[in-house]
Amino acid sequence: ELKVEQNPLFLSMQEGKNYTIYCNYSTTSDRLYWYRQDPGKSLESLFVLLSNGAVKQEGRLMASLDTKARLSTLHITAAVHDLSATYFCAVDGGASGTYKYIFGTGTRLKVLA
Amino acid sequence: DGGITQSPKYLFRKEGQNVTLSCEQNLNHDAMYWYRQDPGQGLRLIYYSQIVNDFQKGDIAEGYSVSREKKESFPLTVTSAQKNPTAFYLCASSTRMYNEQFFGPGTRLTVL
Repeated sequence: ELKVEQNPLFLSMQEGKNYTIYCNYSTTSDRLYWYRQDPGKSLESLFVLLSNGAVKQEGRLMASLDTKARLSTLHITAAVHDLSATYFCAVDGGASGTYKYIFGTGTRLKVLA
Repeated sequence: DGGITQSPKYLFRKEGQNVTLSCEQNLNHDAMYWYRQDPGQGLRLIYYSQIVNDFQKGDIAEGYSVSREKKESFPLTVTSAQKNPTAFYLCASSTRMYNEQFFGPGTRLTVL
């Protein structure tokens, strides 16, 4: 059974600091997705990682994928309050032809001024 | 503008009632999905459909039903058999090529 684990589950950090969120998954998959969710809102797509070694950057966020280690990271650089949200990773079950996502547990990030 | 719409935004259900949540997309996506999110929790897959007139159960399909008669539409019915339906319901759609799922704004269902 495919499992996706994120850590940490909760993260409180000071503005200006750097930190990394980790997403581990338990089976082979070449596609991984990162989403952001603000309180009471829907999910917003952040990054689509489609191959081993893929790296994407947008503003203060950078995501990478290592399919051999079954690991993706979401790195936050010089955090600002506006980044406070819950971040989810999701792995594609497309290798089995189902196109289902398996979502991680989520990481709730709070950036303190 | 292309996107996914869900209605209503808020829905109140009395016990024993069936209610239907609407999901429409104009992105020409083949696949559509329904998720449930409980407060402070992640997303759980209810049903998904990869093509018109075909759909599969997800992880928590009991007490729910769907139909996929048109490519653009994937309504979800929460039946009276679903004993604890209060949750945030999210609909998504995706293309097959990259399978990036795009989410609608959600429907918040409360049982009175």
